[in-house]
This record gives sequence, structure tokens and C-alpha cells, in this order.
Amino acid sequence: DQQVKQNSPSLSVQEGRISILNCDYTNSMFDYFLWYKKYPAEGPTFLISISSIKDKNEDGRFTVFLNKSAKHLSLHIVPSQPGDSAVYFCAASPLDGNYQLIWGAGTKLIIKP
Amino acid sequence: DTAVSQTPKYLVTQMGNDKSIKCEQNLGHDTMYWYKQDSKKFLKIMFSYNNKELIINETVPNRFSPKSPDKAHLNLHINSLELGDSAVYFCASSQQGKVYTGELFFGEGSRLTVL
Repeated sequence: DQQVKQNSPSLSVQEGRISILNCDYTNSMFDYFLWYKKYPAEGPTFLISISSIKDKNEDGRFTVFLNKSAKHLSLHIVPSQPGDSAVYFCAASPLDGNYQLIWGAGTKLIIKP
Repeated sequence: DTAVSQTPKYLVTQMGNDKSIKCEQNLGHDTMYWYKQDSKKFLKIMFSYNNKELIINETVPNRFSPKSPDKAHLNLHINSLELGDSAVYFCASSQQGKVYTGELFFGEGSRLTVL
């Protein structure tokens, strides 16, 4: 039972354009959402997060949008750069879930020159 | 200096063998985790220790046994390896188990292949 879904296994975007990665979730108890980035042969690294009391969080070129009614979040990267080529994981946690993260399967982002 | 280091990075072994993966973190965190990334690329938590105490023990075969000699180390021992155990195992750490702050630091992963 996939509680966090990333329906696009891969995404190809031209350098300089906007990359939009999507994530859907089913559990309404999730209250905190995170995006991690993973390069090959490395562990995931934290990128950006958002709590349910917000609908947008921005950090430089990265912005995460949350639509609670649709149980959907998205990560926008603008402008996309070659170093952004990686696998992006969406993860979710209930507010009191101090130790638990539920992960999506990841989306591989390829930035074309 | 690697913050979370795990060894070995690659492990190829026969079915039925027993193997261990070691993990160490030098971040001063008090919570450590083992995750398994399966063939479908999902990351699933297996265990979590907080100050050497087992906090999370997901539905994992009892052939898997974590050991935390101190809060900087969390090792994973696997008995009687099976083909389905082939995966990438990630160790991670965080401060006070606050995963929702995003401060989850991962090791590079250990790719286990069971033949």
C-alpha cells in the first residue's frame, strides 16, 4: 500500500527551464513533507520541507507547494541546472512521527544541456 | 570527514551465509536508523535506535538483528541470507529523532547481493 506516490519515474528538462516534480499522498494524518535529493552511489540528502500549516516554502531555486485538499505536493526548481540531475524522493511524516518517514519511489530528473 | 559512514559499500555473498554491515556517525546525533531500498527503489525503515534503545522495529524477519554498542554506532547483522535480502541498505542518523525537521543524514549505502 503506497501511501506516498511519485508517479513519474523520470523527467527530462532543458537546462535553464523549470523542473516540476510531483508527489501525491493518501494518508490525511501526514502533516510534514520533505524532499530529498540523491546522487548515484550516495545517500539521500535533505533538500527542503513544508508543514501542513503552509502552502508554500521557498529556498533559493527550490520551492515546494502543498495542496492539502488534493493531497498533493510539488517541487519546483528554477532555473534548472546540470547539477540538479539526481533522483528526488518525496517523504511524509505525521506531526508526532518523530522517527518515521514514509517515502515515495523517487523521480529521476535529467537536466539536458 | 564523512558524517555517516557505513561498511562495506558492496557485499556479495551466498545464500545461507551470515553477514554484518557497520555504521558509524560522528555528528553527535542520538538517533540512528537502518533503511532498506528495495528493487522498486522504495526506502523503507527497518529499525531505529535512540540512545542505544530500540525505538522502531518494523516488520522485518528476525534474521535481521541490529546492535547499538553506543549511540554513535548501529550495526546490522543478517543471518541465513536469502535471495530477497538483496538490496541497498542505508544507515541514517538524526538529532532527537526529529525527522520532520529534515535533519536526517544518510550514509552512502551498502549494496548487498545474495547469490
